[in-house]
Amino acid sequence: KAGVTQTPRYLIKTRGQQVTLSCSPISGHRSVSWYQQTPGQGLQFLFEYFSETQRNKGNFPGRFSGRQFSNSRSEMNVSTLELGDSALYLCASSGPGGLDSDEQFFGPGTRLTVL
Amino acid sequence: GQQLNQSPQSMFIQEGEDVSMNCTSSSIFNTWLWYKQDPGEGPVLLIALYKAGELTSNGRLTAQFGITRKDSFLNISASIPSDVGIYFCAAPLLGGATNKLIFGTGTLLAVQP
Repeated sequence: KAGVTQTPRYLIKTRGQQVTLSCSPISGHRSVSWYQQTPGQGLQFLFEYFSETQRNKGNFPGRFSGRQFSNSRSEMNVSTLELGDSALYLCASSGPGGLDSDEQFFGPGTRLTVL
Repeated sequence: GQQLNQSPQSMFIQEGEDVSMNCTSSSIFNTWLWYKQDPGEGPVLLIALYKAGELTSNGRLTAQFGITRKDSFLNISASIPSDVGIYFCAAPLLGGATNKLIFGTGTLLAVQP
């Protein structure tokens, strides 16, 4: 079974630009969560999507948004980029339900650098 | 709010030594997860624990779900160089239909051959 894939792996943008990151979950997984990882703040939850609906959102400004498509693929968008948005953005997918829904499987991440 | 305190922050050991790390919280959780992250990659799930007191092994790794449900421990026996990385504990936020994970601050493990 293929794992979680994220594209692109690396991205360099300048302040004020916007960016869209993509995530394809493990086949059969309907939940996709996004996390931001920085040296200072560690791994922080951004939002989670399930069946095309946002189920939960972390404490990030409205510049961070996301969506999920009918095939469970997800995108996140960051508008008006700031230097502090430089981070590794991780996507995780989890199974259809029950105990295994707690087991989240991560993709390799997208390394975003804002100049 | 709920947070996970992980210790130690870093460990520098010799190959062959055993390693122990732990994660504590003031909140109770129903699930504990342990991940390992290599540089530039996403975290990889090592062990999942679902029951207080549960002891689960995965090769040379053994993890325990604390009886109080407020802590968890990870042990690595006979460490090898490829064990190098950052180890994170994580737990799902209680309440609601959500898959939000809270992560510990991580333990950096360095193994000298």
